[in-house]
Parts: sequence; C-alpha cells; structure tokens
Amino acid sequence: GENVEQHPSTLSVQEGDSAVIKCTYSDSASNYFPWYKQELGKRPQLIIDIRSNVGEKKDQRIAVTLNKTAKHFSLHITETQPEDSAVYFCAAPLLAGGGADGLTFGKGTHLIIQP
Amino acid sequence: DADVTQTPRNRITKTGKRIMLECSQTKGHDRMYWYRQDPGLGLQLIYYSFDVKDINKGEISDGYSVSRQAQAKFSLSLESAIPNQTALYFCATSDRAGGVNEQFFGPGTRLTVL
Repeated sequence: GENVEQHPSTLSVQEGDSAVIKCTYSDSASNYFPWYKQELGKRPQLIIDIRSNVGEKKDQRIAVTLNKTAKHFSLHITETQPEDSAVYFCAAPLLAGGGADGLTFGKGTHLIIQP
Repeated sequence: DADVTQTPRNRITKTGKRIMLECSQTKGHDRMYWYRQDPGLGLQLIYYSFDVKDINKGEISDGYSVSRQAQAKFSLSLESAIPNQTALYFCATSDRAGGVNEQFFGPGTRLTVL
C-alpha cells in the first residue's frame, strides 16, 4: 500500500506571508492527491486536489504542485490570513489508482498564522 | 443540504463493552468509509464499502467490524472495547460518478474507553 510522509509537523508564519507544506508518496501508480483542512473541533474538508496528469493547480490563494518523477506534492498558501490557521493533511490513494479504496493520510501540519 | 451525520457525537465506555457507532448520509453516494484519527497520526482507514454487498478491510481493521445496512447507512462496531481504541472516529462518503474521489466527512464521534 501507499505510504505518505508530510513535513513540517508545525509551521508558524506571519500574517501575509506564504506557507508551503510538502508531502512525499511511495506508489508511482497513485494518481490522485487531495489536501484537507481541519479546523479545531471540526471535520476535515477538501480544499484542493490534483490528478497526476497535471503539474499544478490553483484556486485563489492556494495551489498544489505535483512532481511525479520525485513522487512529491506540495501545498502553497499565499497572503496567509488568520482563518488559515488549522491542521492540513495531504493524502494519496491507499491502493494504487484514484482513491476509491480509501485514502492514506499524512500526519498533518499545524499551521499557525501569527498576527 | 445533503450531509453525512454520525451518532453518537461523544461516547464514554468501559473496557470489554460492545459499542456501535452509526453513520448516515443523504448525499446519495455509494461509497462509505470509516476512519480513525489519533493525535499526531492523521487519519487511518478502518473499513470501506462500495455497496451493501461489498465490504473491505482497510489499514487497521483488527478489533473492529462493520455493517452496511443500506446504501445510506454504515455502522462501525467494537465488539470488546479496549483503551487504545480511544480516538476520534470519522465516517466519510464518496461518489463513484464522474471518477471524482473527494471524500466528504461526517462530524466525528469522540470515543473514550476507560
């Protein structure tokens, strides 16, 4: 099965600065990579995802990049705001493919936005 | 709005007790999942189901069982609870249509085993 490593475990940035969270995966057959945001006491919610046929995807202040050769993908948040403070999880398909058989998650990054 | 719901939201039980966590969804999705979340460990898949006749083990199924009573209902059981099953449990759904694999999570059940 897939193995996902996520770094850093904690990231503190000044409001307005950018934040980058990185994940690596092990199975070259994986083709779907989502990012989830979990606010304190809330359920995880998808914020952006990318499929292996593209290298980058953007949605306003957030973007995800994928390097299939190196088997890593990253979440980029620009112009950070207080409401970006949360735990972020990367994920990949538990079994080869697109994730229908469930996801395996990184251990999470606690993003702290300093005023 | 279509949603995923879980009952109970919080439960405290004792070692050796049988407990059932329930999940219902009004999204009309065919796929349902149970995950466990421990602090600092992310989420781990326990079981998943593609329909009422298709149940599959995930990463950490030992000590758990599931039942898919209907397309909209997926229950997780701990036959004999132990303290290291203390965790936050999430149910999730996804839709086969269109090949999209986004998982929609329920609000979670916080389980404490004493």
